[in-house]
Amino acid sequence: DAMVIQNPRYQVTQFGKPVTLSCSQTLNHNVMYWYQQKSSQAPKLLFHYYDKDFNNEADTPDNFQSRRPNTSFCFLDIRSPGLGDAAMYLCATKISSRPDVGYTFGSGTRLTVV
Amino acid sequence: GEDVEQSLFLSVREGDSSVINCTYTDSSSTYLYWYKQEPGAGLQLLTYIFSNMDMKQDQRLTVLLNKKDKHLSLRIADTQTGDSAIYFCAVGGSYGGSQGNLIFGKGTKLSVKP
Repeated sequence: DAMVIQNPRYQVTQFGKPVTLSCSQTLNHNVMYWYQQKSSQAPKLLFHYYDKDFNNEADTPDNFQSRRPNTSFCFLDIRSPGLGDAAMYLCATKISSRPDVGYTFGSGTRLTVV
Repeated sequence: GEDVEQSLFLSVREGDSSVINCTYTDSSSTYLYWYKQEPGAGLQLLTYIFSNMDMKQDQRLTVLLNKKDKHLSLRIADTQTGDSAIYFCAVGGSYGGSQGNLIFGKGTKLSVKP
């Protein structure tokens, strides 16, 4: 089945140690998003790729970066994770010509910082 | 910026109808979605409505949109224990393009008692 896959499901990293979360999709959607979701909060958009164009949200910390080497893959890099970065990270995709389809989300990666 | 508000909790008995409400601020929001999130999982698109519609029905789900009051609701008929989850209201702007990003509410946790 076409889907959005996030790896790993659970990630534990040390304070200050760089970590990379990955997302892949088989939907051939042209837009890919990274959201941060903390407990009992709404998902917060960090950034997205519209095709190859990177769009950063104004309040996304510089500590967070992203790469999209091709249509199928997108990575979230956290350069120096702090305790406040512990959260669920959700990847989502969209095809810009089909808003009725909405976003397709992966299952998320739960990041713990120790 | 856009703000989306939802009540945080709703408890119903199995077999009853559930109504989850959402208000938003941006009257130009074109697409309005309801997502469901089960524990430890990503978000699953349940249904959507375009801003030129008042109502949409999809099996047990009924979405009502009051554009004048900027109020969106999701009614789940014959609520089952499997419907227990967090329900997110999300609203989006323009058709496609990099500006068509969704803003999420904080989610309503639906608890269904047998």
